[in-house]
Amino acid sequence: DAGVTQSPTHLIKTRGQQVTLRCSPKSGHDTVSWYQQALGQGPQFIFQYYEEEERQRGNFPDRFSGHQFPNYSSELNVNALLLGDSALYLCASSLAGDRGSYEQYFGPGTRLTVT
Amino acid sequence: DQQVKQNSPSLSVQEGRISILNCDYTNSMFDYFLWYKKYPAEGPTFLISISSIKDKNEDGRFTVFLNKSAKHLSLHIVPSQPGDSAVYFCAASEWRGQNFVFGPGTRLSVLP
Repeated sequence: DAGVTQSPTHLIKTRGQQVTLRCSPKSGHDTVSWYQQALGQGPQFIFQYYEEEERQRGNFPDRFSGHQFPNYSSELNVNALLLGDSALYLCASSLAGDRGSYEQYFGPGTRLTVT
Repeated sequence: DQQVKQNSPSLSVQEGRISILNCDYTNSMFDYFLWYKKYPAEGPTFLISISSIKDKNEDGRFTVFLNKSAKHLSLHIVPSQPGDSAVYFCAASEWRGQNFVFGPGTRLSVLP
C-alpha cells in the first residue's frame, strides 16, 4: 500500500520563475492538503482540495494555486517566486466525510530553493 | 499570532526515562489535537490524537493529556528510546476535516 508520494524531491528555481509540485495521495484517500514548512518552523497550511475543488485556504497569496485531478492526485503551483518561498512543501492526504479520520498522512516533501 | 505554541525548542532525556513534551494553544475553538513525529528527510508521521471530549488518550508508550481549561496538552513517552529522537509537532483543528495549525516543534534527543 503506497503512502503519499511527492515529486520532485528537490528543486532550485530563480526569483520570478514559476514552479509546479506534485502529490499522489495514499491509496483510498480523497482529500489533499498542502503545507509550507520554513526552516525551524512547523508546517503552515496553504490549502486543501476535495472533489477537485479548493475547500479551505490558509493565509497565502494568490501566487499559490493548486489543482486536484479525478484520480485525487494534486499539484501546487507557485508563480513569481520570491526568496521567501524557499521551504519544504509537504503534501498530506486524508479521507473526508463521516467515514473519514482527521488524521493526515504526510509525504516526504519537496525542498524548494529560490535563488 | 501563534495559535499553537511549543515553548521548548529542544529536550534531552536519558534512555528509559520519561519524556514530556508540552504544547499550549490560544484558540478555544480547537477541538482536535494531534502529535506528529518527524525524522530528517521524511514527512511528519502521525503519532497520537485526542479530541476535546477526553482528557487522556493512551497508545502503548505514548500518552497525551489535555487540559482544556488551561489550553494545554502534553505528550508523555515512557520509557523513552533512542529511536524516539526526532522533532515532535503539536497540531490542532477546530473540527474534523479542517486544516491543522501546527506548533513550531520540539526536538527530542534520547541519550543512550
